[in-house]
Amino acid sequence: EAGVAQSPRYKIIEKRQSVAFWCNPISGHATLYWYQQILGQGPKLLIQFQNNGVVDDSQLPKDRFSAERLKGVDSTLKIQPAKLEDSAVYLCASSAGTSGDLRDEQYFGPGTRLTVT
Amino acid sequence: AQKVTQAQTEISVVEKEDVTLDCVYETRDTTYYLFWYKQPPSGELVFLIRRNSFDEQNEISGRYSWNFQKSTSSFNFTITASQVVDSAVYFCALSEAGNFGNEKLTFGTGTRLTIIP
Repeated sequence: EAGVAQSPRYKIIEKRQSVAFWCNPISGHATLYWYQQILGQGPKLLIQFQNNGVVDDSQLPKDRFSAERLKGVDSTLKIQPAKLEDSAVYLCASSAGTSGDLRDEQYFGPGTRLTVT
Repeated sequence: AQKVTQAQTEISVVEKEDVTLDCVYETRDTTYYLFWYKQPPSGELVFLIRRNSFDEQNEISGRYSWNFQKSTSSFNFTITASQVVDSAVYFCALSEAGNFGNEKLTFGTGTRLTIIP
């Protein structure tokens, strides 16, 4: 079974530029998550999708971050314009269960390491 | 206050030694799950174990064992006879009900484990 795919793996941009990340979850997984992991910290949830609908985007900085999951499969996360503090690893994860299942195991992709200069 | 505290930022042990990674959590919910994930240098988080709040039985899986104690809100992880391949960052995480009918997974800050050959 193929895992969660993410691209690109690395990205370097200047502040105020825009950037987009792509995620392809495990086939059949209904729930998709985007996390931000700042160096030395644990992942922090940015947004959670159930199929193509947003479940939780309470921690997404909506003035500059946006995400979509058209057709309930692939997802893109965009930052526009980027700030220095956005430098982090952006992790995508997916799970087979529906939202609200506390026991659901999440499967993570390798992440995209973003450096904003 | 941190919901998940991993007080050990970095640990180094010599190969074949035993090592315990500490995790203390905080929640008001009676139903929750606790997880351990491993993050090797490749970046993706790998699921290791899940425990629900009603099951305090210790668990052993090969060289890995987990000790869950509700009385002290701890979920510690022990590696016996450590190996170089165990070198990674280990995250403890708490899954509880979110504000939107979803599950909310909160990670600790991680413990970087280095096994010295």
